[in-house]
Order: sequence, then C-alpha cells, then structure tokens
Amino acid sequence: DGGITQSPKYLFRKEGQNVTLSCEQNLNHDAMYWYRQDPGQGLRLIYYSQIVNDFQKGDIAEGYSVSREKKESFPLTVTSAQKNPTAFYLCASSKWTGETEAFFGQGTRLTVV
Amino acid sequence: SQQGEEDPQALSIQEGENATMNCSYKTSINNLQWYRQNSGRGLVHLILIRSNEREKHSGRLRVTLDTSKKSSSLLITASRAADTASYFCATDWTSGSRLTFGEGTQLTVNP
Repeated sequence: DGGITQSPKYLFRKEGQNVTLSCEQNLNHDAMYWYRQDPGQGLRLIYYSQIVNDFQKGDIAEGYSVSREKKESFPLTVTSAQKNPTAFYLCASSKWTGETEAFFGQGTRLTVV
Repeated sequence: SQQGEEDPQALSIQEGENATMNCSYKTSINNLQWYRQNSGRGLVHLILIRSNEREKHSGRLRVTLDTSKKSSSLLITASRAADTASYFCATDWTSGSRLTFGEGTQLTVNP
C-alpha cells in the first residue's frame, strides 16, 4: 500500500538529548514537510523540502534539523537547543510543493521526561 | 506566521444540521485546501479549490472561495456524529510555495 509512515508513534526524550523522528513515503512525492502541533492548536511549519538534498526553514525551525538524502525519507532531529519540544509532530508529502493535496503520517508524540 | 485563520474556533451542532466553517487568509494564493483531523491522528485531505474557482462540491461538502475578500467557507450538510473532528484550511502562497495551516475549527456533532 502506498502511504507515508512516521515512527515511532510515541517518543520520550530526556533533557539535553537529541532525538530523531522518522518519516518515509512510497508515494514518489517530491515535496515533504514537518509540522509541529501543540494541544488545541493548529499546525506550524518546521521545515519543508521540494527536492532531494534541498530543504527550507519554516516558521519555527530553531532547535530542529532535517536532511533529505533520499526522495523517500525526510527525518527530523529535535536537538537539545529546542527548549520546549513536547508536542505532536506530523510529517506530510505532496506531489508538488503546495500545489496538490498533502498526505499525512499518523504523527509522533514527543514528550520530554 | 500563520497564513489562514478559521472561524469559529469551536462549533457544536445536532446531527442532521449543517455546519459552516470559515477561513481567512492574508496573501495571494494558488489554491486553498481543507483538511480534517480526528483526535490524535494525522490530517486527511478533503477538498482543494484553486484561486480561479469560486465553488466546489464533494459529496456533503461545499467549499466557496472569495479571493477579493481572501476568505473561504466549508459547509458540511446533513452532519453526522462521525463528522466530529477538527477542520483546517491550508493555503499555498503564490510567492512561497509552501503549505501553511490555520488554527482549525473543532466541530462536535451531537447524536
């Protein structure tokens, strides 16, 4: 089945630790996105990528890093510089950046312990 | 900054009633999309309307777009309890090529 997969579903991070969230798609989509969602809030764009080996900062990129070495994969690292990382993280992909519907993964809930 | 803003923030109706949600945005767009999110899940695409379209239908959904007012509305007719979810509008900027979302409307349909 074609789709977009995020893992893990739940993730716990200790203070000062870096963690990496996985996002994989087999839809042959060029564009991929990472969003952060806080309780009862909308989605805020962290990073997005239109092609392999290229990515752009979104509205809240500080404390996060990404890579796009393969078309299928767009991992997000939450670094220790992100002071309030507890949130629900959503990855999405689309055929072209913003011009067609986006397909979302089921999300990763990150909690700092 | 967020491109879209939904109104109202929360809406509670009875099954069988119609639900209308509105979205306003700030800059020129290529298209506007509506998504649905069940609690704790990813978003699901509902409908896309292009900047040169004024109205679009899909099943019980009707979307309108007024580019002069920079606003859109989503109408769900004959609502069902299963329609209970958060609904978000998303815009694709003509200058930015990025998909940005509003704060969402939480719709509750009571049986």
